[in-house]
Amino acid sequence: QQKVQQSPESLIVPEGGMASLNCTSSDRNVDYFWWYRQHSGKSPKMLMSIFSNGEKEEGRFTVHLNKASLHTSLHIRDSQPSDSALYLCAADTNAYKVIFGKGTHLHVLP
Amino acid sequence: DAGVTQTPRHEVAEKGQTIILKCEPVSGHNDLFWYRQTKIQGLELLSYFRSKSLMEDGGAFKDRFKAEMLNSSFSTLKIQPTEPKDSAVYLCASSTGGGAETLYFGSGTRLTVL
Repeated sequence: QQKVQQSPESLIVPEGGMASLNCTSSDRNVDYFWWYRQHSGKSPKMLMSIFSNGEKEEGRFTVHLNKASLHTSLHIRDSQPSDSALYLCAADTNAYKVIFGKGTHLHVLP
Repeated sequence: DAGVTQTPRHEVAEKGQTIILKCEPVSGHNDLFWYRQTKIQGLELLSYFRSKSLMEDGGAFKDRFKAEMLNSSFSTLKIQPTEPKDSAVYLCASSTGGGAETLYFGSGTRLTVL
């Protein structure tokens, strides 16, 4: 059973639009969440991390975390074609083992 | 500073062969992870080392997959014997460890099993 679930699987937004991605863990041992971005043919790179309840903003990217529901979301405003990529949500379980969701494919149309 | 180095970049094997993939983590990093990535299953954790000690042996993968950390700067992943369903990209990642730390990934090894 996948312990980190992401939705939607695929998302298409117009250039300049807002993209919203979701991630939930079914493992109550999770303490930390990350969002990684993987461009086609490349390896994943960490985009943002969030460890406490609330919101964190970095430029056009905002992440939210609700620890009670183990739900995090990533929002990208003013989306650019260069944002087109696979977005992976990661969570640590007990003993700091990091597992990933299957990802959301984001396509930003010019 | 050098990042995570994985070799080879591509590997083609016949069914039943033994293959060994290699990984050099970022210097000074304590945690090392091996993942397998496919379109259907996504990123699956194969093995996890902390300060060279095996913390996760791969669960469903452990019958044919064996990861070793020979020293703090070198790890191998052996697949024996290979099967066509093992065709995937194998990614190695490292971090400073201790929880709440970013993973740094290598470029991966694309394995094709015929």
